[in-house]
Amino acid sequence: GAVVSQHPSWVICKSGTSVKIECRSLDFQATTMFWYRQFPKQSLMLMATSNEGSKATYEQGVEKDKFLINHASLTLSTLTVTSAHPEDSSFYICSARAGLAALAKNIQYFGAGTRLSVL
Amino acid sequence: DAKTTQPPSMDCAEGRAANLPCNHSTISGNEYVYWYRQIHSQGPQYIIHGLKNNETNEMASLIITEDRKSSTLILPHATLRDTAVYYCIVSTGANNLFFGTGTRLTVIP
Repeated sequence: GAVVSQHPSWVICKSGTSVKIECRSLDFQATTMFWYRQFPKQSLMLMATSNEGSKATYEQGVEKDKFLINHASLTLSTLTVTSAHPEDSSFYICSARAGLAALAKNIQYFGAGTRLSVL
Repeated sequence: DAKTTQPPSMDCAEGRAANLPCNHSTISGNEYVYWYRQIHSQGPQYIIHGLKNNETNEMASLIITEDRKSSTLILPHATLRDTAVYYCIVSTGANNLFFGTGTRLTVIP
């Protein structure tokens, strides 16, 4: 299967600082990437969808000025948590999907996730 | 996206087949059935998907009923490493994946 690399896997930061998380599709071009958040003992919740070269589409309740998403190339998307606070501590997961016409048949491939702890 | 219903938890003896059911009675004609699993503290892993016909790959088999209102994921010989939360999702593929609560499968030695 296709490989999606997410970095870092774990980050601890002080309250008020910004954290950048990278998501790379290693062996395919991802026209669309997704960012999810998962709190303990809960399921994944979609935060935003980004298409290469376009502005991200955020889900209701997700602050676009706080969670900055950039999808500048077909293999890289970044999520920046700006002015992080303890309530932003969570497990952030990205996924990537090849173009609809690709043999990947619209499958989303997920990164390993980033555990963010804000002190 | 259509919603799915899965049992919250299941146990399976190691080496036996694990059969995970999923109801999706409101599935649309152009929606696929996808299965993912999430092992603790990792990102979800794609397992298999199908539209109408049964599907099989190196990981599992997917049985979809003729009316497409339900499906079963079959892990033919469960191992301890198959312990995970399994998500059944219906989607056109062009839109988002909605993750419900899934089924927590525990493989018992």
